[in-house]
This record gives sequence, C-alpha cells and structure tokens, in this order.
Amino acid sequence: KAGVTQTPRYLIKTRGQQVTLSCSPISGHRSVSWYQQTPGQGLQFLFEYFSETQRNKGNFPGRFSGRQFSNSRSEMNVSTLELGDSALYLCASSPTGYDQPQHFGDGTRLSIL
Amino acid sequence: QKEVEQNSGPLSVPEGAIASLNCTYSDRGSQSFFWYRQYSGKSPELIMSIYSNGDKEDGRFTAQLNKASQYVSLLIRDSQPSDSATYLCAVNSGGYQKVTFGTGTKLQVIP
Repeated sequence: KAGVTQTPRYLIKTRGQQVTLSCSPISGHRSVSWYQQTPGQGLQFLFEYFSETQRNKGNFPGRFSGRQFSNSRSEMNVSTLELGDSALYLCASSPTGYDQPQHFGDGTRLSIL
Repeated sequence: QKEVEQNSGPLSVPEGAIASLNCTYSDRGSQSFFWYRQYSGKSPELIMSIYSNGDKEDGRFTAQLNKASQYVSLLIRDSQPSDSATYLCAVNSGGYQKVTFGTGTKLQVIP
C-alpha cells in the first residue's frame, strides 16, 4: 500500500510570492491534516480536512489555506510568503480522523529568500 | 492552551539499556495518545498508540498511560544505536483530529 505522498519535496520562494503544496493520502484514508514544523516551534497543527470539509483549524493567519478534493487529495496554499514561513510542511492521513493515529508523508521543505 | 510537555533532552543511554521517555499533558479530556519517532531530516513515523490506562507492549517498546496523573511514557528496552532519534508525544484532545504534539525528546544511544 502506497504511503502518503507530498509534492514537491523542496521549494524555494521569495517574500511576497504564494505557494501551493500537494498531498495524496493513503488509499482509503479520508482525513488529511497539515502541520508546520520548525526547529523553534516543533510541529504546529494547521488544519484538518475530511470529505472536502475543513473540520479543525489551528492558530495560523488567513494566509494559510487549504482544500480537499473528492478523491481525498489535499492542497495547502500560503499567500504573501514571509521569511518566517520557512519550514517543513507535513501532511498526515488517517481513515476517518477520529482518535486514530496519523501517517505522515515525507514533507515539503519550503525555503523563503 | 492545551499543552503537551516533553523534556527536550538529549537523553543519553548506553546500548542495551532501557530508555525511558516521558510526556505530560494538560487536557484531562484527552482520549488518545501516540508516540512517533523522527530521524533527523525525516518525517515522523508512528511507533505506538495507546488509549487506555496501563501498559501496551509492542516488541521492544512499551507505552504506559496514566490518565489520572496525565502522563504517558515510552520505554525502549535493549536500546540500539538505530533508536537514536527524536521521540514525539502526541495527544488527541478528543474527537476529530485535534492533535497536539510535544516538542520531542532527543534520544542518543551510545554504542
């Protein structure tokens, strides 16, 4: 069974640009969560989607948004990039998201110049 | 603010010893608890899930949960150099995926 697939693996952007990251969950998994990981803050929850609906959202500004498609694939968008957005962005999936462990993708390393 | 606390370490143990990793959480309503291992430059990898008070064993790993004291721990028996990684404690405060991660404990197993 294929794992969680995130693309691209690496991205370099400049301040003010926007970026879209993609996540394909494990087949059959309908819950997709996004996290930001930085050395100083650790893993911070961004949002969680299930059946194309955002169920939970973390404490991030509105520049961070996401969506989920009918095949459970999810995208995350960050607009007006700031230097502080440099991080590893991780996607995780689980079957329904209810008290279940999540399985992580390899992440997208985003660097802002 | 729901919090999950871990000692950042590093925790150094000799090869073959038992490594004990601890985690405390603030939300008494938390229902499910997870341990992840993260190697440097890699993504977190699930080690164990635990939902009920007591011990749960899986190979060399034992997770322990005490909801009354609001702590969860991970024991690694016969520690190997390949166990050297950062161990993340994750707590779901109930229902749908509202998972809070600790900042992790770095484990170093010395050959």
